[in-house]
Amino acid sequence: QKEVEQNSGPLSVPEGAIASLNCTYSDRGSQSFFWYRQYSGKSPELIMSIYSNGDKEDGRFTAQLNKASQYVSLLIRDSQPSDSATYLCAVQGGTSYGKLTFGQGTILTVHP
Amino acid sequence: DAGVIQSPRHEVTEMGQEVTLRCKPISGHNSLFWYRQTMMRGLELLIYFNNNVPIDDSGMPEDRFSAKMPNASFSTLKIQPSEPRDSAVYFCASSFDRADQPQHFGDGTRLSIL
Repeated sequence: QKEVEQNSGPLSVPEGAIASLNCTYSDRGSQSFFWYRQYSGKSPELIMSIYSNGDKEDGRFTAQLNKASQYVSLLIRDSQPSDSATYLCAVQGGTSYGKLTFGQGTILTVHP
Repeated sequence: DAGVIQSPRHEVTEMGQEVTLRCKPISGHNSLFWYRQTMMRGLELLIYFNNNVPIDDSGMPEDRFSAKMPNASFSTLKIQPSEPRDSAVYFCASSFDRADQPQHFGDGTRLSIL
């Protein structure tokens, strides 16, 4: 079992729809969770972080964390073509010097 | 504030040559990470340092790869001799060494070994 798994994708949604990206992790000691966005040919860019159970909203983005289920998700409301990218889920343990374990990424395409 | 700075941005060289990739982390960050990204294998952690000390190099593919961090503001990843299968994008990232701190990535070096 991979340490961090994301829904395989690719995911295609129409403009204006909600895109839902999912991630599960295996280490119950994980404390911090991040979503990165990577445009083609660019480096990963941090877009959301979440540390406690529940929802965290930032503009059109909502991160959801359920530690009991070892599940973290990212919702993108009112999806735009500019949201088309690969989304990487990253999980961090408590004593890892900042080391992150990344999922394999989900490719999202928002079509007009 | 300056982000993570990597050089060169692109490198094309022939098989067998030595390749040196460079990274300057964000000032104040004390953890530094080297990654390799390919279509087939995704983002792979090669090695990371904390306070200039290598902590985990288990991701380094083989002895041809080596990394150093002589001071808090500079790190190198060296491949000698290079092979075509080393062609990839190499990213450097840095962070504070606290559990709630994300990593910040440089723009990467796109390496092509002919």
